[in-house]
This record gives sequence, structure tokens and C-alpha cells, in this order.
Amino acid sequence: DTGVSQDPRHKITKRGQNVTFRCDPISEHNRLYWYRQTLGQGPEFLTYFQNEAQLEKSRLLSDRFSAERPKGSFSTLEIQRTEQGDSAMYLCASSPGLDYGELFFGEGSRLTVL
Amino acid sequence: GESVGLHLPTLSVQEGDNSIINCAYSNSASDYFIWYKQESGKGPQFIIDIRSNMDKRQGQRVTVLLNKTVKHLSLQIAATQPGDSAVYFCAEKGGGSYIPTFGRGTSLIVHP
Repeated sequence: DTGVSQDPRHKITKRGQNVTFRCDPISEHNRLYWYRQTLGQGPEFLTYFQNEAQLEKSRLLSDRFSAERPKGSFSTLEIQRTEQGDSAMYLCASSPGLDYGELFFGEGSRLTVL
Repeated sequence: GESVGLHLPTLSVQEGDNSIINCAYSNSASDYFIWYKQESGKGPQFIIDIRSNMDKRQGQRVTVLLNKTVKHLSLQIAATQPGDSAVYFCAEKGGGSYIPTFGRGTSLIVHP
């Protein structure tokens, strides 16, 4: 297993465009998380899934942000009508679903909104 | 509100020295703590964790100390190497939650 995979690694877009990021977790990990990280800050939680169920989405930054995990495997994070303030690193992580245990992070998808 | 934070934003040490990175937390319900290392352009990487029923845990060259009385966590790195240069984050998870919350991070710079 090669770990958590994220695509694309870098995305440059113009303000107002929609962008979608994909995350492939470690196989058989049933929890999948999305975090956002801006320069000099720690990762900020956005949402997470237990299998295909999205169990927490109140921390999504606005209604322009949405995430799916339709078959309980890969996940997508979409940002509609991007704004310059959306520029950040979007991190995906997965875990096997134990009560205690670390998250396994991907390398992130860096978004630049011009 | 509840928060996790770090005392020092940057720590510079010489190769071979021991490093200590500190973290304060305010959620008394936190029962699990994790230290992550993040190198430039990469995702956070697990270093070591500790549950609230312990006050010390050791790994290879790393030790985490937990003081629940003053809500303080530290990461000790022995014989620091240039490859240890990175940003270090502590994360905490409250009882019953599956969502780790991260602090701001400390940048460790190791000079050869």
C-alpha cells in the first residue's frame, strides 16, 4: 500500500472557478478526514467520513465547500466559486477507525486562486 | 474556547543537542495526544502519541511527556539531527471525539 494519495498536488485557478480535489485513502481505512492548512498554521479540520457517511460537516468553511465519499473509498472535496481566501493546502487523512490512533496524511493539494 | 497551542514558534539547535518542543492545551476532556512532524511541501507525519492515562512515553530518540495538572505536553528529541528540521505540531482529541485538533506548530531548525 502506498499510503494516502491526493490529486492534483497543485491547482492554480481563477477566482470564481470551481475546483475538485480527490483523495484515495489507505485501503480498508474506514475514516477519512479533510483539513485545510494555511501558511504558518496547523491543519484546520473541515469534515470527516465514516465509510460513506459524512459524520461532521459543520466546520466546512462555507456552503461553497462540499465533500463526498460515495462508495466509502475515495473522497472528493469541491470548492465552488473560488475566492482568493481559499488559497491553501488541502490535506486528506485516513485512519482505520479505532478509538485511538494516528491519522495518516497525504501530501496535500495546494490551491492557488488568482 | 478550547484550544491547543505552542509556546515557541521557532527553535534553533545545534546538531547533537537535545530539543524540547512544548505544547499547551486547554481542553481538560482531552484524552489522547499526538505529535506530528511536517517537512516543507509534505503532509504531517506521525511521530509519537500518548493517552491521558500515561505521563511519559518513549520512542526511538523521542519522548513525550504529559502533565495533566498544568495541561502541558512536550516532545523531547535526543541527539537532534539535520533531518529533524521541520515543523512540529501537537494534536489533541477529546474524549468521545474522533477529530484531532491541531496547534499552530513549532519550527525546529537544526544547524550542522
